[in-house]
Amino acid sequence: GQNIDQPTEMTATEGAIVQINCTYQTSGFNGLFWYQQHAGEAPTFLSYNVLDGLEEKGRFSSFLSRSKGYSYLLLKELQMKDSASYLCAVRDQPRPGAGSYQLTFGKGTKLSVIP
Amino acid sequence: DSGVTQTPKHLITATGQRVTLRCSPRSGDLSVYWYQQSLDQGLQFLIQYYNGEERAKGNILERFSAQQFPDLHSELNLSSLELGDSALYFCASSEGDGLAGFYEQYFGPGTRLTVT
Repeated sequence: GQNIDQPTEMTATEGAIVQINCTYQTSGFNGLFWYQQHAGEAPTFLSYNVLDGLEEKGRFSSFLSRSKGYSYLLLKELQMKDSASYLCAVRDQPRPGAGSYQLTFGKGTKLSVIP
Repeated sequence: DSGVTQTPKHLITATGQRVTLRCSPRSGDLSVYWYQQSLDQGLQFLIQYYNGEERAKGNILERFSAQQFPDLHSELNLSSLELGDSALYFCASSEGDGLAGFYEQYFGPGTRLTVT
């Protein structure tokens, strides 16, 4: 089984930097994903980490430490359109007989960006 | 627009009924995944098909079943519906089979199911 924890809600100011943390416990780890989801819409892919370190992609960066079971998503120069839920998801080995790798999502962090 | 289509967009039905949700993957994608998203449980993986075959199973109830057809579209069948089945159901697709390497899942717009 696995356990994924992330804060339920966060608030940050337009133009600022915010860090959303995600901790996980799992066996057979095979990658960590971050998705953005606006209310009532489909999740969209932001980043993927499988090795330790920082992956940078424009205003968004994601960090992974496998030994600590920890990741964060860093959003810089926040814009009002960044108000959304951010989902941390772990890919790991499935339960016996359940087939191939699958993604398990955390419950998401709802980020509100205020002027 | 991810290229994944889902129908219908909204569905309202009564307890005990059966419904079918439909998904067409992006052109060229062979894998289809089904997810359920409710307010209290978050996004939960249900089942994956790859090129017509079941490849992975998550927390899918026995009342639910799915299949992927030769043209790669997929259907999720939900039967003996209960109030707790009310949720957003997302379909996603990817190129690979999810066994190795990086793969990005592209999500459809979802079907909102309301059971009354």
